[in-house]
Amino acid sequence: GAVVSQHPSWVICKSGTSVKIECRSLDFQATTMFWYRQFPKQSLMLMATSNEGSKATYEQGVEKDKFLINHASLTLSTLTVTSAHPEDSSFYICSATEAFFGQGTRLTVV
Amino acid sequence: LAKTTQPISMDSYEGQEVNITCSHNNIATNDYITWYQQFPSQGPRFIIQGYKTKVTNEVASLFIPADRKSSTLSLPRVSLSDTAVYYCLVGDGDMRFGAGTRLTVKP
Repeated sequence: GAVVSQHPSWVICKSGTSVKIECRSLDFQATTMFWYRQFPKQSLMLMATSNEGSKATYEQGVEKDKFLINHASLTLSTLTVTSAHPEDSSFYICSATEAFFGQGTRLTVV
Repeated sequence: LAKTTQPISMDSYEGQEVNITCSHNNIATNDYITWYQQFPSQGPRFIIQGYKTKVTNEVASLFIPADRKSSTLSLPRVSLSDTAVYYCLVGDGDMRFGAGTRLTVKP
């Protein structure tokens, strides 16, 4: 079974609203989680590294105020896309350690 | 400067062995080499990881020459369900993906 659970699998939201994506590690604790976005036919782009109990480390060019990451416990990290716009529509993926990835979340902003 | 270079795409036929090579000329002493498989609309799946020489598991083999500047993922007897994108990552906890190789297995 899955060791990293990502929820929701897909979400549709209106422009200007915020969306929260959850990434849970099952059966193990993850002090570090990673968040990616992926556009069609492209590779995964690392957005940020989420560290339990501290601030996330964002990759260059990723707006930290738009993509809020919270890693409040050793089994849960969340990514909130604030004031979403159509250009934020993408496939978002989390991972806990280098071995386990979530199923991904398809975000569509209309 | 990209850490890894892979062919953009490869075609194969069912039952054949497929070898995908990844170049990583600037690999550091502490870096491991990890390969992933990704199907459309799914998260990547870990396939295999190695540091040097040869590693084999139930799905693939990983060949790493002595200079470690490249690695080859070997998939024995591929089937249609092996059609996917394959990524190699090089690092010591560095989780940045390269462009990957799109493998298409034909009947």
